[in-house]
Amino acid sequence: AQSVTQLDSQVPVFEEAPVELRCNYSSSVSVYLFWYVQYPNQGLQLLLKYLSGSTLVKGINGFEAEFNKSQTSFHLRKPSVHISDTAEYFCAVSEGGGADGLTFGKGTHLIIQP
Amino acid sequence: DGGITQSPKYLFRKEGQNVTLSCEQNLNHDAMYWYRQDPGQGLRLIYYSQIVNDFQKGDIAEGYSVSREKKESFPLTVTSAQKNPTAFYLCASQYGTENNQPQHFGDGTRLSIL
Repeated sequence: AQSVTQLDSQVPVFEEAPVELRCNYSSSVSVYLFWYVQYPNQGLQLLLKYLSGSTLVKGINGFEAEFNKSQTSFHLRKPSVHISDTAEYFCAVSEGGGADGLTFGKGTHLIIQP
Repeated sequence: DGGITQSPKYLFRKEGQNVTLSCEQNLNHDAMYWYRQDPGQGLRLIYYSQIVNDFQKGDIAEGYSVSREKKESFPLTVTSAQKNPTAFYLCASQYGTENNQPQHFGDGTRLSIL
């Protein structure tokens, strides 16, 4: 069974600074990887996904992530954050096969300080 | 606009009472999911359905029940057997029946105990 570890529960960053949110996964088979963002009292929105091919994936709102198979990581980055990026970020993994749901990390709360 | 509608937004349950959370999608998606979100715990899968009239238990199905009589609808019942029902419940749907498709989420229902 797969699992996801988000190493930081909270990440405080100053506005316009770069940020990296870390995600590691474990799985015995090929995986698909996703990053979602959640604003307060709302559902989740897809930021980006890795299915195959290029290991650098670009998403919405200026975010990107890099898949590293040898380190089993899928870290999320943004070169310059804005106050509006304050939210909860979730890394998720699924394995090949039927649509049997995602396994989520516990989330990282990104706090942007002015 | 296509999307997922969850209702109600807030719900209160009395002791010994069953309550039903509604989830409707007009995206023509095949698979639907229910997740439970607790603070600091990420999302955990309760039930999922890949096709009408069929559904599978997720990681934390005890105390919950579902039905899938129509493709668009996937209601979740929180039964009196669920001793700790206070949580944020998220419904999601996905196109197709492969794990490489992203999930789309509703805005959630927050359930509390009276």
